[in-house]
Amino acid sequence: KAGVTQTPRYLIKTRGQQVTLSCSPISGHRSVSWYQQTPGQGLQFLFEYFSETQRNKGNFPGRFSGRQFSNSRSEMNVSTLELGDSALYLCASSLVVAGSGETQYFGPGTRLLVL
Amino acid sequence: AQSVTQLDSQVPVFEEAPVELRCNYSSSVSVYLFWYVQYPNQGLQLLLKYLSGSTLVKGINGFEAEFNKSQTSFHLRKPSVHISDTAEYFCAVSERAGGTSYGKLTFGQGTILTVHP
Repeated sequence: KAGVTQTPRYLIKTRGQQVTLSCSPISGHRSVSWYQQTPGQGLQFLFEYFSETQRNKGNFPGRFSGRQFSNSRSEMNVSTLELGDSALYLCASSLVVAGSGETQYFGPGTRLLVL
Repeated sequence: AQSVTQLDSQVPVFEEAPVELRCNYSSSVSVYLFWYVQYPNQGLQLLLKYLSGSTLVKGINGFEAEFNKSQTSFHLRKPSVHISDTAEYFCAVSERAGGTSYGKLTFGQGTILTVHP
């Protein structure tokens, strides 16, 4: 089975621009979670989508948004980019079966640099 | 709310020596526990997980971890490390019941394991 894929892998933007990152989950996985990883703050949860609905959201400003499509693919969008948004953005998918602990499998990430 | 503390930010060790990476967690509800590994410029790879049952969990690449409920710990061990184990290791928890914790893993700050020849 193919793993979680994320595109693009690398991205350079300037302050004030917006960016859209894409995530394709493992086949059959309906839950997609997004995380931001930075050297200072570590790994922080952004949001989670299941069956096209956002079920959970972390403590990030409204500039960070996401959506999920009927095929479970997900996108996240960051508007009005700031220098501090430079990070590795990780997507993870899980099967959501009772008792499975919703084990998350991660993609390779998209590294975003904001200049 | 949960929190995870990885007690060592860096652990240097010689090849073929044993290693233990320490993880403590805090939560008001029951949790699932995970260890992930991250190699440079890559995503996170699942090493092992504790969902229920035996408190000693075996994972990939010869790693194992023991869940200790009374000490709220989930330490990762390997009896003999290889150069290729050099990476950053993350301990993570998720709540057993969904609700406000759907799809959310709470991570520790990570432990960089460096294996020297």
